[in-house]
Amino acid sequence: AQSVTQLGSHVSVSEGALVLLRCNYSSSVPPYLFWYVQYPNQGLQLLLKYTTGATLVKGINGFEAEFKKSETSFHLTKPSAHMSDAAEYFCAVRRVAGTYKYIFGTGTRLKVLA
Amino acid sequence: GAVVSQHPSRVICKSGTSVKIECRSLDFQATTMFWYRQFPKKSLMLMATSNEGSKATYEQGVEKDKFLINHASLTLSTLTVTSAHPEDSSFYICSATLSTGQQGGELFFGEGSRLTVL
Repeated sequence: AQSVTQLGSHVSVSEGALVLLRCNYSSSVPPYLFWYVQYPNQGLQLLLKYTTGATLVKGINGFEAEFKKSETSFHLTKPSAHMSDAAEYFCAVRRVAGTYKYIFGTGTRLKVLA
Repeated sequence: GAVVSQHPSRVICKSGTSVKIECRSLDFQATTMFWYRQFPKKSLMLMATSNEGSKATYEQGVEKDKFLINHASLTLSTLTVTSAHPEDSSFYICSATLSTGQQGGELFFGEGSRLTVL
């Protein structure tokens, strides 16, 4: 069975500092991996995804993530945090073939301090 | 990107009544839609997978008679919370996936619907 673990339910960074949100997955075969962002009372918006190819994936708003198979990780980073990055971030996995069923992590709330 | 719209965004109802939430894919055909429930400060819990023209597949622990899902067309799925009770109050989010193409498999989310049962 697949699962997703996001370390740290809350992360605080200063504006301009590095953002690092951690995601580890468990899967019998490498899955597709996603990061979504959720602003208050809204649905989820895709930040980036890894399916195949280059393991360093760039997304919107300056975010990127690296798929590390050996570490079963897909951590999200951004070199310089902006106040507008404050939101809830979810890591998700999906099997490569078959069902489009997604498994979401418990989320990490990012707070950006002025 | 593909757009998914949910309506209503907020609904308040009395205990014992039924509430319907609509999820529409505006610019693409979605053969599969998913309904999630999100508790405060919690992750998304998949409730059911809805395929056009067939019965929804419910996740373990989700009452199918309580949460009725209908996917009558390729652009519309509805979730009806029947005989709602305060414990059904939650944020419900639908999502849809493109069946083919470069974005195949990517989930597109609606804006969510906050249900409050008094």
